[in-house]
Amino acid sequence: EAGVAQSPRYKIIEKRQSVAFWCNPISGHATLYWYQQILGQGPKLLIQFQNNGVVDDSQLPKDRFSAERLKGVDSTLKIQPAKLEDSAVYLCASSLVQGYTEAFFGQGTRLTVV
Amino acid sequence: AQSVTQLGSHVSVSEGALVLLRCNYSSSVPPYLFWYVQYPNQGLQLLLKYTTGATLVKGINGFEAEFKKSETSFHLTKPSAHMSDAAEYFCAVSPSSNTGKLIFGQGTTLQVKP
Repeated sequence: EAGVAQSPRYKIIEKRQSVAFWCNPISGHATLYWYQQILGQGPKLLIQFQNNGVVDDSQLPKDRFSAERLKGVDSTLKIQPAKLEDSAVYLCASSLVQGYTEAFFGQGTRLTVV
Repeated sequence: AQSVTQLGSHVSVSEGALVLLRCNYSSSVPPYLFWYVQYPNQGLQLLLKYTTGATLVKGINGFEAEFKKSETSFHLTKPSAHMSDAAEYFCAVSPSSNTGKLIFGQGTTLQVKP
């Protein structure tokens, strides 16, 4: 079974530029999560999708971050414009159903804003 | 609000020694509790989880954890450390009334010395 795929693995951009990350969850997984992991901290949920609907985006900085999950499969997370404090690893995860089944994580995208 | 505190950001043990990683949580509702492991440049992998039932939970790679409601703790243990256990470990909580969102602690880096 293929895991959660994310791209790119690494990205370096200048502040005020825009960037997009892509995630392909495990086939058949209805729930998709984007987490932000700042160096030295645990992951923090940015947004959760159930199929193509948003369940929780309470911690998403909506003035600069956006996310979509077209057709309830792939998802993209965008930052525009980026700030230095956005430097982090962005982790995508998916689970079969909403709730307490195991969430499977991708390898993440490491973003460096200079 | 739910939160997780991991005591000790770095733990160092000798190979073959007991591993003990501490986790305390706060939750206003019965929690579901998780331990994840993260190897360098990898995503998070589930070690074990507590939902309901037996309070002593066994996971992969010889790890186990015990849910102690009276102490609001969910400490992770392994009787004998192996060099391959060196990684970062995250404790996480998900309130039972939630949709699957995970709230993570700040992580504990485990170093195993030969």
